[in-house]
Amino acid sequence: RKEVEQDPGPFNVPEGATVAFNCTYSNSASQSFFWYRQDCRKEPKLLMSVYSSGNEDGRFTAQLNRASQYISLLIRDSKLSDSATYLCVGGVYGQNFVFGPGTRLSVLP
Amino acid sequence: DGGITQSPKYLFRKEGQNVTLSCEQNLNHDAMYWYRQDPGQGLRLIYYSQIVNDFQKGDIAEGYSVSREKKESFPLTVTSAQKNPTAFYLCASSGGRTGFGANTGELFFGEGSRLTVL
Repeated sequence: RKEVEQDPGPFNVPEGATVAFNCTYSNSASQSFFWYRQDCRKEPKLLMSVYSSGNEDGRFTAQLNRASQYISLLIRDSKLSDSATYLCVGGVYGQNFVFGPGTRLSVLP
Repeated sequence: DGGITQSPKYLFRKEGQNVTLSCEQNLNHDAMYWYRQDPGQGLRLIYYSQIVNDFQKGDIAEGYSVSREKKESFPLTVTSAQKNPTAFYLCASSGGRTGFGANTGELFFGEGSRLTVL
């Protein structure tokens, strides 16, 4: 079983739609979780950290469920510019951050 | 501005040659990482370093070597022993060394180095 798993997609959604991604992790010692966004042939960029209490940043909401070992990302009112690959990351700081394979999102006009 | 600089951005190598990818950061981060990404795939960890003069192998260290002589620098050498070196190589750093909550621990990436073996 891979340490971090994601549905690779692609998710094709119309503009304005709400879309949710889930990610599961197997290492119960993982402490830090993040969602990164990666555009084609570019480096990943931090979208948001994921906290146990859940957190929101504009149209984006992240949740962490430690008991079930999954994290989620919700994107509301999708924009064309949201089209990218979304990478789930979990790990223990200073040791190893493990990336999921990424979920591709295409927002269609 | 603070950040991570990788060079070169594009590199072509003949089979059998070693090549070194540079990674420099001025974020005063203790931890640095090297990842490899193949087309359509996620990131795989090659090596990471938590502190100067110390580093650990990641999941795919075979055929690679690193050094950490300075806090700011973490060069990666792709040796001729690496059987399939053509890939996108990403260097990252994260702040602090201990203290969950002292910082978020997020990774900051360089723009990457794209290596092609001819």
